[in-house]
Amino acid sequence: SQQGEEDPQALSIQEGENATMNCSYKTSINNLQWYRQNSGRGLVHLILIRSNEREKHSGRLRVTLDTSKKSSSLLITASRAADTASYFCATGDSGGGADGLTFGKGTHLIIQP
Amino acid sequence: KAGVTQTPRYLIKTRGQQVTLSCSPISGHRSVSWYQQTPGQGLQFLFEYFSETQRNKGNFPGRFSGRQFSNSRSEMNVSTLELGDSALYLCASSLPAVPNTGELFFGEGSRLTVL
Repeated sequence: SQQGEEDPQALSIQEGENATMNCSYKTSINNLQWYRQNSGRGLVHLILIRSNEREKHSGRLRVTLDTSKKSSSLLITASRAADTASYFCATGDSGGGADGLTFGKGTHLIIQP
Repeated sequence: KAGVTQTPRYLIKTRGQQVTLSCSPISGHRSVSWYQQTPGQGLQFLFEYFSETQRNKGNFPGRFSGRQFSNSRSEMNVSTLELGDSALYLCASSLPAVPNTGELFFGEGSRLTVL
């Protein structure tokens, strides 16, 4: 079953603007990860945030995690055309990992030049 | 360091046939996971292998099976193919011994079309 749900499903912004994507999940987790997928290709890991962390940065990426609301956000600052891709959140549950990482359906981000 | 390699990249089969997909993980990674990606269902977990043992399994019928070899390479097999099996099959390897505690490194996928 899909645990992570991204919002919005699609987002189109101008190059240079910031892009924010949100993810909600349902059960207890030990970490939450964000991945990027360029059209029809493999996923690329962006960032992992553990359940005891609230915020994490990596280059132009900023991830927040609110375990009380079971939600996370991914902020991409100063967007570039190369950021055009689908972005997925994935959760690793804290109950033994029987389901593998659970991915949401993704946010499709389009950066307009 | 070479990435995760999946073969074949594209294949076309007909209903009722079977297919075997191969995955070579990153050197040193002992965990290999398989995911199915379709436009309707998104990314769904198939199974995970660690040190030649299936450690976790998703909610897929028994037609989907896999194995892992002593060199950590993995194969998955789908028998009696159905139209709904058309999908991108993604393999991912990871380092941690504990499931779901580290990042996954994905291959480019094997795109299966069932006619």
